[in-house]
Amino acid sequence: QVQLQQSGPGLVKPSQTLSLTCAISGDSVSSNSAAWNWIRQSPSRGIEWLGRTYYRSKWKNDYAVSVKSRITINPDMSKNLFSLRLTSVTPEDTAVYYCARGSPRELTDWGRGTPVTVSS
Amino acid sequence: DIQMTQFPSTLSASVGDRVTITCRASQSISSWLAWYQQKAGKVPNLLIYKASSLKSGVPSRFSGSGSGTEFTLTISSLQPNDFATYYCQQYDSYSVTFGQGTKVEF
Repeated sequence: QVQLQQSGPGLVKPSQTLSLTCAISGDSVSSNSAAWNWIRQSPSRGIEWLGRTYYRSKWKNDYAVSVKSRITINPDMSKNLFSLRLTSVTPEDTAVYYCARGSPRELTDWGRGTPVTVSS
Repeated sequence: DIQMTQFPSTLSASVGDRVTITCRASQSISSWLAWYQQKAGKVPNLLIYKASSLKSGVPSRFSGSGSGTEFTLTISSLQPNDFATYYCQQYDSYSVTFGQGTKVEF
C-alpha cells in the first residue's frame, strides 16, 4: 500500500518561495508506471493540478500553464521523495497542498494535505 | 488548457435516490476521465477512472459513462455515506484539470 508523507512550512511570506516535500513508501519515485503530482485546493480556485514528475527512461516534468514560470518539481531517488518549489508567492497561492501518486494519470493515492498560508 | 464544466453545483437528494452528475469537456478527451469523492476535511478519493472503470473496493452503486466531451457519474441508490462533494478530472493531455465539484446534500 502506497503512503505519502508531506512536510513543509504552513506559513510563507509574500514574494518568497514555498517548498514542500512528499516522502513515498510502498513505491519508488523512479517507478516506470507511476507519476508524482502536486495539487492544491482553495475555496476560490477549487482543485488545481500544479504539475508532476515521472521517470520513463529519463526524468520528465509537466506543469500547469498557470504556474509554469514559478514551479519546479524534483525527484530525490536517494530519499525516495519528490519536492515542490513555488517561487514569488502571493496571497493567491494560499491553499491546501496535496501530493498524489498517478497510476499513471488517475490519482490513486494522496498525501494528507498541507495547509499553506501566504501572509506577512 | 482543457476546461471541465460540471453540473449541477449542488444537488439535494434523499437516501435511496438515483443521482446523476454531469461533466462536460471543452474538447474531446476520449475516455480519459476520472471521478473523485471528497468529504469535508478529507482527501479526494478515486471512484472511477477511464470514464467507466470502477476502482477496486468502490461500491457497485457507483457507475460512470460517456466519452468524448460528455460524461456522467451515477449513484444508483444514494446511501448516507454518499453525501459528499464529487469532482471530475480530465487527464487527456499533458495537463490535468478538475471540474468545479458537485455537492450532494440532504
